[in-house]
Amino acid sequence: QLQLQESGPGLVKPSETLSLTCTVSGGSISRSTDYWGWIRQPPGKGLEYIGSIYYSGTTYYNPSLKSRVTISVDTSKNQFSLKLSSVTAADTAVYYCARTRIAESWYFDVWGRGTPVTVSS
Amino acid sequence: DIQMTQSPSSRSASVGDRVTITCRASQSIRSYLNWYQQKPGKAPKLLIYAASRLQSGVPSRFSGSGSGTDFTLTISSLQPEDFATYYCQQSYSSPALTFGGGTKVEIK
Repeated sequence: QLQLQESGPGLVKPSETLSLTCTVSGGSISRSTDYWGWIRQPPGKGLEYIGSIYYSGTTYYNPSLKSRVTISVDTSKNQFSLKLSSVTAADTAVYYCARTRIAESWYFDVWGRGTPVTVSS
Repeated sequence: DIQMTQSPSSRSASVGDRVTITCRASQSIRSYLNWYQQKPGKAPKLLIYAASRLQSGVPSRFSGSGSGTDFTLTISSLQPEDFATYYCQQSYSSPALTFGGGTKVEIK
């Protein structure tokens, strides 16, 4: 059974870089059919797509965040990671990692539990 | 950006009711529309992809329809475990994927 687990600091200072890792278990991150993505949800608000990565390193980013986002993959550890630079309070959210299926429609079919990140000094 | 507007933003219903949630796109997105269910403190769960395809393991009381700009998620007979917030998500303008604002289904 495929499982995803986010990890990383729960508190980040303004202007610094948020760094999170998603560990995939129960399956290989190198499956040819799968991309791996990040989505966030500010407190009490809706969902925002951040970006996705393929095991080869091909990335897709939401244009609204593209200038600050880097997603990378480590196939040897079955992990992928998110870096978001120059954070502000507006980046406070629960961050989810999810398997991204790119077929008839791009959708997220397996999710991690989410990890809350607060941006505050 | 393609804007996704859900209506209503909240809905009160009783167990056994037929519930319909609407999602409207600011431009045609063909059938590139997915639906998720989210319960408090939990990650979203995929219900429907490509407008009408039921995700494996999702009860058949959930169904999706529509194409172009107007889409519907229907719960044919609301069950106690269905009280949650529902989100639509478009992927026509990938990678600029966008979600609707959500519809909260509450107990009447």
